[in-house]
Amino acid sequence: EVQLAESGGGLVQPGGSLRLSCAASGFTFSSYWMHWVRQAPGKGLVWVSRINHDGSSTSYADSVKGRFTISRDNAKNTLYLQMNSLRAEDTAVYYCIRDYTMDVWGQGTTVTVSS
Amino acid sequence: EIVLTQSPDFQSVTPKEKVTITCRASQSIGSSLHWYQQKPDQSPKLLIKYASQSISGVPSRFSGSGSGTDFTLTINSLEAEDAATYYCHQSSSLPLTFGGGTKVEIK
Repeated sequence: EVQLAESGGGLVQPGGSLRLSCAASGFTFSSYWMHWVRQAPGKGLVWVSRINHDGSSTSYADSVKGRFTISRDNAKNTLYLQMNSLRAEDTAVYYCIRDYTMDVWGQGTTVTVSS
Repeated sequence: EIVLTQSPDFQSVTPKEKVTITCRASQSIGSSLHWYQQKPDQSPKLLIKYASQSISGVPSRFSGSGSGTDFTLTINSLEAEDAATYYCHQSSSLPLTFGGGTKVEIK
């Protein structure tokens, strides 16, 4: 079964850091571009970042550029999102997603930035 | 940035009724438009890709149409399980963007 499982969310103070992980299974992870999308409480979906199949190309939303870093380890079938200098407005459920059609979504991991 | 404008924001519909949701892009995106369904406390689920291509396992009452700047998601004969928020998404250019969502309620 094709699956994505996020982990690493939690409560962090403003200015703090967190690293999210996404474990992929059931498909050839190294063949796919991957994305992170977030959803603030009661709000819509917002694209955060994407990475190409081998990690050589990355892109970010302006709101996280310079603070977040996306990466992947194809040997471990794992996607990462390093989040630094966190702000209250980064509070959201973060989803790991496969492909530009976003055909497979994880269950999400919740990040709460609050003092 | 390509802005996707969905309408309506909210729709209350009786079972078996037909539902039409529109998504308008601020510039032409060809057919790089995808539709998702999100039920409460669940992750979004892909319904339609590239404007009109069906997805395995998605009921045939869901269909999509359009190209360029105007797109439509149609739900024929709405069922109670279709209560959800529906989002469009463009993959034509970065930053990737989503519509604001359309909440469909069952009367």
